[in-house]
Amino acid sequence: QVQLVESGGGVVQPGRSLRLSCAASGFTLTSYAMHWVRQAPGKGLEWVSVISYDGNNQYYGDSVKGRFTISRDTSKKTVYLQMNSLRAEDTAVYYCVRGDNHENWGQGILVTVSS
Amino acid sequence: QSALTQPASVSGSPGQSITISCTGTSYDIGPYKYVSWYQQYPGKAPKLLIYDVTERPSGVSNRLSGSKSGNTASLTISGLQSEDEAYYYCSSYTTSKSWVFGGGTKLTVL
Repeated sequence: QVQLVESGGGVVQPGRSLRLSCAASGFTLTSYAMHWVRQAPGKGLEWVSVISYDGNNQYYGDSVKGRFTISRDTSKKTVYLQMNSLRAEDTAVYYCVRGDNHENWGQGILVTVSS
Repeated sequence: QSALTQPASVSGSPGQSITISCTGTSYDIGPYKYVSWYQQYPGKAPKLLIYDVTERPSGVSNRLSGSKSGNTASLTISGLQSEDEAYYYCSSYTTSKSWVFGGGTKLTVL
């Protein structure tokens, strides 16, 4: 069955960097776009980024554009989110999501940006 | 990329039907048939309920249905059950090749 397992979260100081990983199994990564969606504590869902099924296109939400980079390693069946210049408002649970219909979600990983 | 507009809360009694609206613009919901709905329980990951406006993934109850008119999409839940009490979010693809979510609606089953 489809499994998405996020890792790499934690507490980081403002201005620093963090890289999230999403280990995918149960499907072929090259057949699906992969997204990152986040949810700040007590708030709603916010779309962050997508990498196309072929890996050729990446798009970002306005709030992270220029600071975050999505990528993937098909040999490791892993999707990444490199987060630079982190701000307090980036504090959230980050979900790895399969497909443009957002049909499968990981359990989420908490990122806390605080000094 | 302004969030889609959903009511903050809706409520209904067991057995009743409720509808949650999701209002966007001519840059997101309007031009596309790419509206999805999700259910989220506190502390849990969201679950896809509806995609492409009206389609239900395998395993999702047929008590749930989706529709769209102009810039507004709707989720209807019929025969309300206690387990339907949760948060519901809509999302849409946009003309900027991005996605946008609604602010979320808390459904209370009275």
